[in-house]
Amino acid sequence: EDQVTQSPEALRLQEGESSSLNCSYTVSGLRGLFWYRQDPGKGPEFLFTLYSAGEEKEKERLKATLTKKESFLHITAPKPEDSATYLCAVQGTTDSWGKFQFGAGTQVVVTP
Amino acid sequence: ETGVTQTPRHLVMGMTNKKSLKCEQHLGHNAMYWYKQSAKKPLELMFVYNFKEQTENNSVPSRFSPECPNSSHLFLHLHTLQPEDSALYLCASSPRLAGVSGGELFFGEGSRLTVL
Repeated sequence: EDQVTQSPEALRLQEGESSSLNCSYTVSGLRGLFWYRQDPGKGPEFLFTLYSAGEEKEKERLKATLTKKESFLHITAPKPEDSATYLCAVQGTTDSWGKFQFGAGTQVVVTP
Repeated sequence: ETGVTQTPRHLVMGMTNKKSLKCEQHLGHNAMYWYKQSAKKPLELMFVYNFKEQTENNSVPSRFSPECPNSSHLFLHLHTLQPEDSALYLCASSPRLAGVSGGELFFGEGSRLTVL
């Protein structure tokens, strides 16, 4: 069964203080790894899809990277508006289409 | 008009009540999903529908009964719930089954359910 572990559970950053979030996964074969952002009281919002080790995707201050066992979400020079819970999910090659395994998320707070 | 709309946003019900959650998507998508989100726990997939047909039931208790009359509407009928069913219920949609072409799910804002 697919497993996804995110760390740390919570992260408090000063504005401008770069950091990384970790998503470790166990799947029989990776079909895709997905990052989402969730603001309080809202549904998750899609950020990135990564398919193979070595792949990188960027969006504004966020950069996602992928290895064979984990993914990192790097936040460069964060701003208060980057405060959110970041969710990681995987789909393995033996999973049904439409089925993801989500991690519990990392709650990020960026203070001015 | 937001892409995925869920009603009601908040619901309080007793264990003997019957209620329904509604989800409507205005994106022209063919796949729809129900997820359960409890505090500090991963999002938990409940049901998947593709072109109105159920393709996934993730061992969900029968007190949760989904209904998908067309590709734009999804309901979750609730009856004889337990206090541990209190959670945020999220509806999502995607153009095709997630993973077939990309992994983007479009989520609604959720229905916060409290079972007394």
